Amino acid sequence: QSVLTQPPSASGTPGQRVTISCSGSSSNIGRNIANWYQQLPGMAPKLLIYGNNQRPSGVPDRFSGSKSGTSASLAISGLQSEDEADYYCATWDDSLKGWVFGGGTKLTVL
Amino acid sequence: EVQLVESGGGLVQPGGSLRLSCVGSGFAFSNYWMNWVRQAPGRGLQWVANIKQDGSKKYFLDSVKGRFTISRDNAKNSLYLQMKNLRAEDTAIYYCARDSILLGGVIFDWGMGTLVTVSP
Repeated sequence: QSVLTQPPSASGTPGQRVTISCSGSSSNIGRNIANWYQQLPGMAPKLLIYGNNQRPSGVPDRFSGSKSGTSASLAISGLQSEDEADYYCATWDDSLKGWVFGGGTKLTVL
Repeated sequence: EVQLVESGGGLVQPGGSLRLSCVGSGFAFSNYWMNWVRQAPGRGLQWVANIKQDGSKKYFLDSVKGRFTISRDNAKNSLYLQMKNLRAEDTAIYYCARDSILLGGVIFDWGMGTLVTVSP
């Protein structure tokens, strides 16, 4: 059972907009910034969103992040087939004194 | 370009030991917190441990406390994870990951990982 809660799956058709939620608590998302990672099949995770809503260089602006209270969200607009991957939210937990991750959301592009 | 290259994984019997290494390049290694994060087969990401720039602070996942130790050699741009008394549930790909300058910022970069299999 992960400290951060994500839906196990999400799906959409090409061009659609999908959102993935991440629910935490006052000791993690409520106090610290949320980050999102994309993991393509057989690959290492890649930073997608940091600081709640910042995109690293090279990440398309189709990807956006937001945070409110103890929850964070990742939105992907203009869905493309290459977006099919696992997505993880992550943040530091002040009580556990460690990084915590969501269980991951498998995104399927129909 | 930031590169993190792990090594040292393999097959080990329950109760055995293994030492993982990670060499970083393309960034000022000594300026950053560093992490080990693992991923069991078919499962999600799980943070294992991290270490401050000068090695003075270390944090561990509860289930590995007392069994795993983390260390670094900034002169060699290297990070280590010494694992003892290994259990089947430690079977995973272990990723070396570059953190930020401040604790709890963001894990920026990941290596390709090294597979640890704990089995009789």
